[in-house]
Amino acid sequence: AQSVTQLDSQVPVFEEAPVELRCNYSSSVSVYLFWYVQYPNQGLQLLLKYLSGSTLVKGINGFEAEFNKSQTSFHLRKPSVHISDTAEYFCAVRKNTGGFKTIFGAGTRLFVKA
Amino acid sequence: DAGVIQSPRHEVTEMGQEVTLRCKPISGHDYLFWYRQTMMRGLELLIYFNNNVPIDDSGMPEDRFSAKMPNASFSTLKIQPSEPRDSAVYFCASSLDRVSYNEQFFGPGTRLTVL
Repeated sequence: AQSVTQLDSQVPVFEEAPVELRCNYSSSVSVYLFWYVQYPNQGLQLLLKYLSGSTLVKGINGFEAEFNKSQTSFHLRKPSVHISDTAEYFCAVRKNTGGFKTIFGAGTRLFVKA
Repeated sequence: DAGVIQSPRHEVTEMGQEVTLRCKPISGHDYLFWYRQTMMRGLELLIYFNNNVPIDDSGMPEDRFSAKMPNASFSTLKIQPSEPRDSAVYFCASSLDRVSYNEQFFGPGTRLTVL
């Protein structure tokens, strides 16, 4: 079975500062990895994904994430955040063969302060 | 495309009443997922369908919960009887097919409050 641990429940940061949201996963098989963002009172939307190939993946809104197989991590980063990035961020994992069940982490609340 | 549509957006009911949540997936999508989100348990997959057939319902909490997908453009999640602990935001999501990486497109959610 797969599992996801988001190491920080809340991350406060000042506008224009860099940010890293941490995600570790556990799986005995190869996986796909995702980051989703949820703005207040909205559903989740895909930010970026890792399927295979280059371990550095770029997503929307200037976010990027790096897949580290040896550390089983998939941390999300942005070099300079905006007030509008305030949202809940979810790391998710799904095995890449058989079944569609996606396991989501508990979420990290990013709060960008002026 | 209008995206995934859920109704109602908010539902307040009393314990013991039947609740029906509705979802219209994106046209052409052949997978449909129902999730429940609470502060305590986070985002949980309840059930998912492929081509209108339930594939995995292991996340359905108990027999009070049931889900149907009578056709490709409509699904319901029913709770009967409802209990206060069912209070949560329920999301519906759809995706295209298993050849893709299965990006899931989420609806805006239904916020259910059971008094």
